[in-house]
Amino acid sequence: ETGVTQSPTHLIKTRGQQVTLRCSSQSGHNTVSWYQQALGQGPQFIFQYYREEENGRGNFPPRFSGLQFPNYSSELNVNALELDDSALYLCASSLAGIPPGRRDTEAFFGQGTRLTVV
Amino acid sequence: GEDVEQSLFLSVREGDSSVINCTYTDSSSTYLYWYKQEPGAGLQLLTYIFSNMDMKQDQRLTVLLNKKDKHLSLRIADTQTGDSAIYFCAERDNFNKFYFGSGTKLNVKP
Repeated sequence: ETGVTQSPTHLIKTRGQQVTLRCSSQSGHNTVSWYQQALGQGPQFIFQYYREEENGRGNFPPRFSGLQFPNYSSELNVNALELDDSALYLCASSLAGIPPGRRDTEAFFGQGTRLTVV
Repeated sequence: GEDVEQSLFLSVREGDSSVINCTYTDSSSTYLYWYKQEPGAGLQLLTYIFSNMDMKQDQRLTVLLNKKDKHLSLRIADTQTGDSAIYFCAERDNFNKFYFGSGTKLNVKP
């Protein structure tokens, strides 16, 4: 058990709709990252939030947006869904800004939300 | 950008050792990780190694890092059928971002 929880676990949406995915980070962690894992591929970095601000973004269009809340939980929003957005969306929780070598450097992933766009 | 490569498949017999290999490109990566993913599940952290180490052992798992060649390997001793899964190698940069390989599917035959 990692302490990182994502909701919902599965979701089916129609092309053109909007979706919000949620992530509760591990207690004590201040950084949340989101990843998209298409079928048969490794996870791809979408963006990261640190202390409620976006702190880095991968190669994803602006219709992918996010939020981080004061309790460090996070949301991923995707507008104008496309068929290719069908994937497993993973959230990762970590603690940034600490010396290397400590156990705190571990990053934990949630179980993911499987989004299907039809 | 960062590029992490892994072989796609590995098949071993139960009780044998498995070695999964990975190459990466970013020499400034601070940590390198191995994650396990079972069908329909998220990523399970197996182990990680700090870039100034060349070996780390954790029970049945041994990680070897050759920083000069940017090569990382994961050895699983006494492989069991429950080890069948996809294994991802990942490098983590100084901004906490992970770059994953495409994963190696390990098949353990009884």
